Amino acid sequence: DAGVTQSPTHLIKTRGQQVTLRCSPKSGHDTVSWYQQALGQGPQFIFQYYEEEERQRGNFPDRFSGHQFPNYSSELNVNALLLGDSALYLCASSQDAGTVNTEAFFGQGTRLTVV
Amino acid sequence: GNSVTQMEGPVTLSEEAFLTINCTYTATGYPSLFWYVQYPGEGLQLLLKATKADDKGSNKGFEATYRKETTSFHLEKGSVQVSDSAVYFCALRLYSSASKIIFGSGTRLSIRP
Repeated sequence: DAGVTQSPTHLIKTRGQQVTLRCSPKSGHDTVSWYQQALGQGPQFIFQYYEEEERQRGNFPDRFSGHQFPNYSSELNVNALLLGDSALYLCASSQDAGTVNTEAFFGQGTRLTVV
Repeated sequence: GNSVTQMEGPVTLSEEAFLTINCTYTATGYPSLFWYVQYPGEGLQLLLKATKADDKGSNKGFEATYRKETTSFHLEKGSVQVSDSAVYFCALRLYSSASKIIFGSGTRLSIRP
């Protein structure tokens, strides 16, 4: 079992550009959540996808958008990048995360640097 | 609002020392509580959890007890090892908003041989 895989592992972008990050969930999981972890901080919830729809969203601007594909993999898109978007972006997968005790498994993250 | 506060690090201990990392929470509902660990270069891993008051979560020698009266979930280990060096995150999930995990800011733990 490959677990949760994210790509790329590192990325450098220029202010104003757009970026797409990718996540493949753990085998058997149908729900994907995205988190932003700034340096020295805890992860902050961006949004969650289930059945190809955004189920819940955190306090992030519309520049952050996502998509889930029929095979449950997911993309996170960020438009008009700002320096403050530099962070580790974590993907977590689970089985129907509608219940609080459903365990979420995290990938190793994508380190995004905006210059 | 809903939030988690944990002691600031870094925390540096000698091997075999006793560890406590404090965590308190604020929640509008009845949360489940978690500790996650992030080893260098790796993703977050669930270390332990407790779903109701007075529950004790335990794993790999770590323990934490859900204290509703003090809104706390302190992490303890009786004898730490060098391999325990990592960043530890306290977190909560609410039944009313189960999709979202709310994390504390993390505590970096370094163990000296």
